[in-house]
Amino acid sequence: DQQVKQNSPSLSVQEGRISILNCDYTNSMFDYFLWYKKYPAEGPTFLISISSIKDKNEDGRFTVFLNKSAKHLSLHIVPSQPGDSAVYFCAATPLANAGGTSYGKLTFGQGTILTVHP
Amino acid sequence: ETGVTQTPRHLVMGMTNKKSLKCEQHLGHNAMYWYKQSAKKPLELMFVYSLEERVENNSVPSRFSPECPNSSHLFLHLHTLQPEDSALYLCASSQDWGGYGYTFGSGTRLTVV
Repeated sequence: DQQVKQNSPSLSVQEGRISILNCDYTNSMFDYFLWYKKYPAEGPTFLISISSIKDKNEDGRFTVFLNKSAKHLSLHIVPSQPGDSAVYFCAATPLANAGGTSYGKLTFGQGTILTVHP
Repeated sequence: ETGVTQTPRHLVMGMTNKKSLKCEQHLGHNAMYWYKQSAKKPLELMFVYSLEERVENNSVPSRFSPECPNSSHLFLHLHTLQPEDSALYLCASSQDWGGYGYTFGSGTRLTVV
């Protein structure tokens, strides 16, 4: 049973426009969510995160929105740039993992390939 | 060298071979992870080591054997693998639960022939 799902395998966007990547989760224990970006031949790199106590977190061109009732989060990139072309993974973890535990347990989605055309 | 380093970057092995993947982190993190990434599938957590002790083993077949000799090094020993084990194997580290994200290595692309 896949607890974190990214239902769009790929997304193609024109440079300068908005990219919206979506992620759904089923485990109501998940309380902290992260997005990672992965270029070919490199490992995933952390992009942005959001806690369940918020519904929005912004960092420059990247904004993550969380809808807890719908168990849905999205990553908005605006304006999109060709260098943003990569695979984007969302990940989730129970907030109970925080507060002194010595390791994490992220559950990842299968990724969405974003292509930004010049 | 900084970050998380994985060697080798590519590995081709026969089903009867024994090989090892190596991961090294220079970040002072106290948790290390092995993930498997197969095509069009989510990253699958295989093993977690916290403070050099294995704390998670996600039903991984015994042909995969992890080892964590110290807080900076993590190995994945491979023997009698199957072609379906071909995948990208990613190592990651974090400080505690990794609330600000894990640091991943570049991975080892494994092909079993």
